[in-house]
Amino acid sequence: GESVGLHLPTLSVQEGDNSIINCAYSNSASDYFIWYKQESGKGPQFIIDIRSNMDKRQGQRVTVLLNKTVKHLSLQIAATQPGDSAVYFCAETPSLDKVIFGPGTSLSVIP
Amino acid sequence: EPEVTQTPSHQVTQMGQEVILRCVPISNHLYFYWYRQILGQKVEFLVSFYNNEISEKSEIFDDQFSVERPDGSNFTLKIRSTKLEDSAMYFCASSTQGALVGYTFGSGTRLTVV
Repeated sequence: GESVGLHLPTLSVQEGDNSIINCAYSNSASDYFIWYKQESGKGPQFIIDIRSNMDKRQGQRVTVLLNKTVKHLSLQIAATQPGDSAVYFCAETPSLDKVIFGPGTSLSVIP
Repeated sequence: EPEVTQTPSHQVTQMGQEVILRCVPISNHLYFYWYRQILGQKVEFLVSFYNNEISEKSEIFDDQFSVERPDGSNFTLKIRSTKLEDSAMYFCASSTQGALVGYTFGSGTRLTVV
């Protein structure tokens, strides 16, 4: 079936260091991938997206990398700040009508 | 910045009772979704809704669930006879172009079935 999974369920980083959160997806038909951030008590918040015809996309302090050969997605956060502490979900779009979320990685930033 | 609004923020109900979770999507969005998140687990797709009908639903979305857009602003999720395992956070989301763009999620309704 469809699934999106994560290699690391928890990640602790020192403030100012770079963070890398990884994700594996299984559906080759997915054309669009998104990273969401979820802070405690809140809904998922869109961070950055990438389409299958790209392998890299940069935002403000964040970069998403897509490797379709091995079905791997990663989120890089530069100069991690305490406000980046949250659960991060990768998500894929196997159809036009739904987004499937991975299990989530908890990022903890140590001041 | 436009928001998706969900009410109530927390609902406690007895097993077997009906509940209606309410959402006000962003006004110019045409695609609407419900997701749920059991505590500590991932966000699970329930249903997508476009043009006044369900466009896709998951295995979770069985006959106990229904969605409705009763007017031009609200989007509701009804659970007819709640079970203990329905306890979860329920998130509403909306978008302008279906699953081709990132969704905007509400803050969720925490449903507790006792």
